[in-house]
Amino acid sequence: GAVVSQHPSWVICKSGTSVKIECRSLDFQATTMFWYRQFPKQSLMLMATSNEGSKATYEQGVEKDKFLINHASLTLSTLTVTSAHPEDSSFYICSAREASGTSTDTQYFGPGTRLTVL
Amino acid sequence: GNSVTQMEGPVTLSEEAFLTINCTYTATGYPSLFWYVQYPGEGLQLLLKATKADDKGSNKGFEATYRKETTSFHLEKGSVQVSDSAVYFCALSPQAGTALIFGKGTTLSVSS
Repeated sequence: GAVVSQHPSWVICKSGTSVKIECRSLDFQATTMFWYRQFPKQSLMLMATSNEGSKATYEQGVEKDKFLINHASLTLSTLTVTSAHPEDSSFYICSAREASGTSTDTQYFGPGTRLTVL
Repeated sequence: GNSVTQMEGPVTLSEEAFLTINCTYTATGYPSLFWYVQYPGEGLQLLLKATKADDKGSNKGFEATYRKETTSFHLEKGSVQVSDSAVYFCALSPQAGTALIFGKGTTLSVSS
């Protein structure tokens, strides 16, 4: 089946630094990738939709200057948390929708990245 | 707006017990419905899906039927195993290709 990877799987950083998280579709091309955030014992909340070659679309309340998303190729999207603060600590999950040429709803999820900001 | 409500957990069962996890949704139009499973330390995996009313999704002994009249998509399994212990998420996609809207997740714990 289709596989999506994320790197790193966990990261600890100091407050004020920036952290980049990569999301890759390993065996398929993804025109659209989604970034979610999951708090402990909570559901996944959509942060932004990333389309290859265009600017990401952010959900209401998500700061686009803080959470920079780049989708430079059909297999890679990155999320950069700039000037991270402890409240940004969370589990970040990406998903990718296969560019199969058909209308498919199947999204494949990465394993997530645990970010802890000290 | 679109939303998903699923039963609060945790659900604790003995092996071979019958499982039901309730899920109801609110949506405009004709959404697709999904169940995802998250095993400890792993990412979400698609368990099953249904794209139109009365469709039944099934996989690994789990099944769920898209009920438009009751706006529900309850997950069932006739005989659970210890290996089914995980967090189960009900989700909907308002339109093809759009992001998923998730319920809060239900933790299932199965003991032998």
